Amino acid sequence: DAGITQSPRHKVTETGTPVTLRCHQTENHRYMYWYRQDPGHGLRLIHYSYGVKDTDKGEVSDGYSVSRSKTEDFLLTLESATSSQTSVYFCATAGVVGNTIYFGEGSWLTVV
Amino acid sequence: AQRVTQPEKLLSVFKGAPVELKCNYSYSGSPELFWYVQYSRQRLQLLLRHISRESIKGFTADLNKGETSFHLKKPFAQEEDSAMYYCALRMGPGGADGLTFGKGTHLIIQP
Repeated sequence: DAGITQSPRHKVTETGTPVTLRCHQTENHRYMYWYRQDPGHGLRLIHYSYGVKDTDKGEVSDGYSVSRSKTEDFLLTLESATSSQTSVYFCATAGVVGNTIYFGEGSWLTVV
Repeated sequence: AQRVTQPEKLLSVFKGAPVELKCNYSYSGSPELFWYVQYSRQRLQLLLRHISRESIKGFTADLNKGETSFHLKKPFAQEEDSAMYYCALRMGPGGADGLTFGKGTHLIIQP
C-alpha cells in the first residue's frame, strides 16, 4: 500500500466552507495524485504533483487547489465547498516515472 | 485525447463460469494498460499491468493493439472475485501525469 494515509477519512461539511484533505506517504515517492471517484464516472484526476512545489491540473481541477511543500505531503483544498464536490477522494503515489501507482484508502466527503 | 471505455457497468456470472471484462482504449501513442480492482469501500489495488504479463488471482489480460483492447479474463470465477474492476491507461513511456480510468465494471459472482 506504499504507506499512504489520508485524513480525514470521513467529513461532512456545509456548502461554502473551505475543506482540506491531506495525503501523507512514507515511501519518498516523487509523484502524487488526487482523484475523485463518482458513480458512473469512475476515477477522474483532479491535480497531480511531480515534485515539491511542482503541481499541475488534471481533468477536473475547477474548484480545487493543491500544495506540496514536502515530499511526503500533498494537500487538496476545496476553497468553497459545493454539493457537486460530494465524492470519495483518493490519493495515489508513484516512485519513478513508469512505476506502479499506489492508492490510499480514500476520504469520504459530504457537502450539505 | 486518451480515453478508456468499459462497456459493461455490471456483469453477473455464476461461480465456476468464465469471466471476461472488456476494456477498449483510444490513444495514438504506445500506452501502458492496467487493471485495478476495488473491493467494497476499499482502496484500489493493482491487479495487472500489460508490460509484466503476470497472472494474478487467476486473471490474465492481453494487449491487442490492432483492436485497441485489453480485456480481463478468468477461466473459472470465484465468489471472492466480486468487486469493481477498473481499466486504466497511462501514456507511455513515463506517464508522470497519472492514469486515465474507465468508468468501471461491477462484477458479481453468484453462488
